[in-house]
Amino acid sequence: DAGVTQSPTHLIKTRGQQVTLRCSPKSGHDTVSWYQQALGQGPQFIFQYYEEEERQRGNFPDRFSGHQFPNYSSELNVNALLLGDSALYLCASSYGTRYGFEQFFGPGTRLTVL
Amino acid sequence: EDQVTQSPEALRLQEGESSSLNCSYTVSGLRGLFWYRQDPGKGPEFLFTLYSAGEEKEKERLKATLTKKESFLHITAPKPEDSATYLCAVQAKAGNQFYFGTGTSLTVIP
Repeated sequence: DAGVTQSPTHLIKTRGQQVTLRCSPKSGHDTVSWYQQALGQGPQFIFQYYEEEERQRGNFPDRFSGHQFPNYSSELNVNALLLGDSALYLCASSYGTRYGFEQFFGPGTRLTVL
Repeated sequence: EDQVTQSPEALRLQEGESSSLNCSYTVSGLRGLFWYRQDPGKGPEFLFTLYSAGEEKEKERLKATLTKKESFLHITAPKPEDSATYLCAVQAKAGNQFYFGTGTSLTVIP
């Protein structure tokens, strides 16, 4: 049973560029959440997708956008990259949104903005 | 405001020296409290879910407990392979997002 997968593993961009990160959820899961984790910090919630719609959003600017596809996979897009966007971006999947649920995380994408 | 505070920030233990990590939380109605283990450069690995005060869960050398305001992760006779950052997260009933603490970095010395 494949767990949560993310691509790419590492990415280097320059300020002002745009980036797309991808996530495939664990088999049987239909909900995907994205997190940003700066060095030495806990993950910060960006947004959550369920039934191809953004269901909830954390305190992140509109430069951060996403999409969920019919097969439940998801993309995170970040426009006009800033140095402060350098972080580990984590995708987590779960089943459903209405009850206390366990989220399973992928290995993350390390984004470096120069 | 919902928030999670973990202590200590870092903990060094001798192999076999038992201890506890603390996670205190402020949330408007707890849906669940979650413990994760994170190795450097990797995604968090799920350990436990606790839903109500008084609940306890165990896995190998780890035991998680929950009260109305905090959770403890007890580590009994730790081994060097238990070295990692342990993250606590809460989910509030009012919404679906998780709030994470900044973690406790545990180092177990042989």
